[in-house]
Amino acid sequence: KNEVEQSPQNLTAQEGEFITINCSYSVGISALHWLQQHPGGGIVSLFMLSSGKKKHGRLIATINIQEKHSSLHITASHPRDSAVYICAVDFGNQFYFGTGTSLTVIP
Amino acid sequence: NAGVTQTPKFQVLKTGQSMTLQCAQDMNHNSMYWYRQDPGMGLRLIYYSASEGTTDKGEVPNGYNVSRLNKREFSLRLESAAPSQTSVYFCASSDRNTNEQYFGPGTRLTVT
Repeated sequence: KNEVEQSPQNLTAQEGEFITINCSYSVGISALHWLQQHPGGGIVSLFMLSSGKKKHGRLIATINIQEKHSSLHITASHPRDSAVYICAVDFGNQFYFGTGTSLTVIP
Repeated sequence: NAGVTQTPKFQVLKTGQSMTLQCAQDMNHNSMYWYRQDPGMGLRLIYYSASEGTTDKGEVPNGYNVSRLNKREFSLRLESAAPSQTSVYFCASSDRNTNEQYFGPGTRLTVT
């Protein structure tokens, strides 16, 4: 079974701060996904990574396959970024999820 | 496009009762999944279906059955509900090329 560890569990930031959320996993994977769960409960996919780096707007995701580690960065954070961020490792047909990082951005 | 839809949104059952959670997607995805989400545990895979006509167990299948009725629909059945099955249940489907997951809105189930 693959273990997926996220840190930190909880994070509070001031608006405008640069935020980093980390994800580590224990075995080789096909890909890694970053998801966002809104306060209302809905889950959306942010990124799917198998190598390198991806950027969407103020969000940047990186992965180091050799070190089995991924990071999600948010630049110029905003209160609307407040959500739970979840990483998930992808074995093709099965996914294992971290427990999530709860982010609160204060105006 | 509605994406992934789930019914019902909320349900309260008594121990021993049965129910079926319904899920449908209109994105022509081959793969569909059922997850449960519990506080402090993260999402856990119950069952998945890689294509119409096939289903496979995930991490926590005990107490559940599934049916892939056709390409669009994937249902989850609790034959005899137990309080340990109190959870939020999410259905998802994925794109074959990217494996990006699309989630339904969730069903909050309470078993008393």
